[in-house]
Amino acid sequence: AQSVTQPDIHITVSEGASLELRCNYSYGATPYLFWYVQSPGQGLQLLLKYFSGDTLVQGIKGFEAEFKRSQSSFNLRKPSVHWSDAAEYFCAVGHQTGANNLFFGTGTRLTVIP
Amino acid sequence: GAVVSQHPSWVICKSGTSVKIECRSLDFQATTMFWYRQFPKQSLMLMATSNEGSKATYEQGVEKDKFLINHASLTLSTLTVTSAHPEDSSFYICSARAGGNGYTFGSGTRLTVV
Repeated sequence: AQSVTQPDIHITVSEGASLELRCNYSYGATPYLFWYVQSPGQGLQLLLKYFSGDTLVQGIKGFEAEFKRSQSSFNLRKPSVHWSDAAEYFCAVGHQTGANNLFFGTGTRLTVIP
Repeated sequence: GAVVSQHPSWVICKSGTSVKIECRSLDFQATTMFWYRQFPKQSLMLMATSNEGSKATYEQGVEKDKFLINHASLTLSTLTVTSAHPEDSSFYICSARAGGNGYTFGSGTRLTVV
């Protein structure tokens, strides 16, 4: 069965500090992997996605993620966090073919302190 | 890029009434759309998969007679919450697979039933 685990419910970092949000997945086939960000009361904005090729993926707003097949992980990173990065972050996995839906992790809430 | 427009962004209705939420793909054809529900501080849970020209596929535990889905055209899917009750209050988000490998999300609808 497919599942996505985000072990950290809430993370607090200081502005300017580095950030890593963890994501582990379980999927029966080669997955598509995504990171989305959601501000309160808003929809989801795609930060980045991995389909194939280079396992280090660059996204918007200075985010990157690394796909590690051996660890079934797709952790999100940012070298220097800005106050505007405070939001909810969701990792998601989908199938490479067909019209399948995405499976979402439970989310990690990021708080940025000055 | 592919855009999904969701309307309304928020709605308040009286208990026992019905509410319709629209999801439109603006610049692409979406044969399949997905409807998610998100409770406060929780992740997105798939409710149903909406297929153009055919019946929607509902996830286990989702009442198809309560959450009516219609996907009459390649650019429009609607979710109608019938006889709404306070426990139906939630954030509803639609999504479409915009060809290729991308998933695009609507901005969400905040439903409050009073």
